[in-house]
Amino acid sequence: GENVEQHPSTLSVQEGDSAVIKCTYSDSASNYFPWYKQELGKRPQLIIDIRSNVGEKKDQRIAVTLNKTAKHFSLHITETQPEDSAVYFCAASIRRAAGNKLTFGGGTRVLVKP
Amino acid sequence: GAGVSQSPSNKVTEKGKDVELRCDPISGHTALYWYRQSLGQGLEFLIYFQGNSAPDKSGLPSDRFSAERTGGSVSTLTIQRTQQEDSAVYLCASPLNRDRSTDTQYFGPGTRLTVL
Repeated sequence: GENVEQHPSTLSVQEGDSAVIKCTYSDSASNYFPWYKQELGKRPQLIIDIRSNVGEKKDQRIAVTLNKTAKHFSLHITETQPEDSAVYFCAASIRRAAGNKLTFGGGTRVLVKP
Repeated sequence: GAGVSQSPSNKVTEKGKDVELRCDPISGHTALYWYRQSLGQGLEFLIYFQGNSAPDKSGLPSDRFSAERTGGSVSTLTIQRTQQEDSAVYLCASPLNRDRSTDTQYFGPGTRLTVL
């Protein structure tokens, strides 16, 4: 089955700096890669996703890149703010008509220091 | 989330007891997923339902776990003879779009299960 590795497990950055989280996946058939943000005691919230026919996607301060050949994808947060502090999870799945169960990475705890 | 609700929000039980966790997905949506998040850990897939198809149970950790979905809407996850290692937050997810089971999954608030 699919296996997703996520690094680093913790990341501390100064406010205004950039943060980068990297994930690798094992199943070359995976074609959908969402990123979730989870604040303490709350549910995971989707922040951005990318499909395998796209190499990069950006939404304001957040961007995701995908390298299908190397089977890795990354989340980039620019101009970090204290409210970006949270745990971030990457995931991978094979989107089919029958559904797409997600395999998650272990998470990255991001701390943005003011 | 996008209209997914779960109950109870918290459940404390004694080891060996059975528990039922409920998920109300977005009305009319055909796909429903269950995940588990142990303390300080990532999310682990348990089971998903898609319309009238047989559910994918490949993530259920043991035969003490089962789930059903009645009438294509509400789902119940049952854990029999609970063990302390079952303590976790159980999350239900549903896609946003009614007929597109492959779309992005939105999570409910979860049920925090504590087994004493």
